[in-house]
Amino acid sequence: DAGVIQSPRHEVTEMGQEVTLRCKPISGHNSLFWYRQTMMRGLELLIYFNNNVPIDDSGMPEDRFSAKMPNASFSTLKIQPSEPRDSAVYFCASSPRTASYEQYFGPGTRLTVT
Amino acid sequence: AQSVTQPDIHITVSEGASLELRCNYSYGATPYLFWYVQSPGQGLQLLLKYFSGDTLVQGIKGFEAEFKRSQSSFNLRKPSVHWSDAAEYFCAVGAADMRFGAGTRLTVKP
Repeated sequence: DAGVIQSPRHEVTEMGQEVTLRCKPISGHNSLFWYRQTMMRGLELLIYFNNNVPIDDSGMPEDRFSAKMPNASFSTLKIQPSEPRDSAVYFCASSPRTASYEQYFGPGTRLTVT
Repeated sequence: AQSVTQPDIHITVSEGASLELRCNYSYGATPYLFWYVQSPGQGLQLLLKYFSGDTLVQGIKGFEAEFKRSQSSFNLRKPSVHWSDAAEYFCAVGAADMRFGAGTRLTVKP
């Protein structure tokens, strides 16, 4: 089992550029979550999908953020345009079909916007 | 609304000593409760979970936690800490809309 895969692991970009973060959940898991972690705000849920459908995006900071899940094995989180305050570690997590709600986290993408 | 409070930002214990990390929650119904551990530069790893039944749950790496409904607490314990346990520990409550505490950073002294 490869676990949740995220790419890239590190991203440095300039303000105003588009950033795309990628996630491959664990095979067979039907829920996928995107989180943001910062020192100031801790771990925040941005959005989660169930069976590829966005269920709750109330944590998405603003319209500059968007997320998609075109199929069960791939999701993206896009920031356009990026701003320095978006600098954070972004985690993807997936959860199995059983109603256990336990989440398995990827290693994260450290985003730096200069 | 559900919420989690971890009162201790940072705890230091000596290797071999016992450990207890505190967690208090607010939740409208019977909570789903979790403890996760995060090592530097890594994602979060599930240590243990509580849904129902026995209020003392065992997890990986020798950790256990006890659910106390009357105190709205779910404290994490380990009888003897190892240097490799140094990490950040997060308590979480909820289902799909999980909420995490701010975390407790554990330092282990040799």
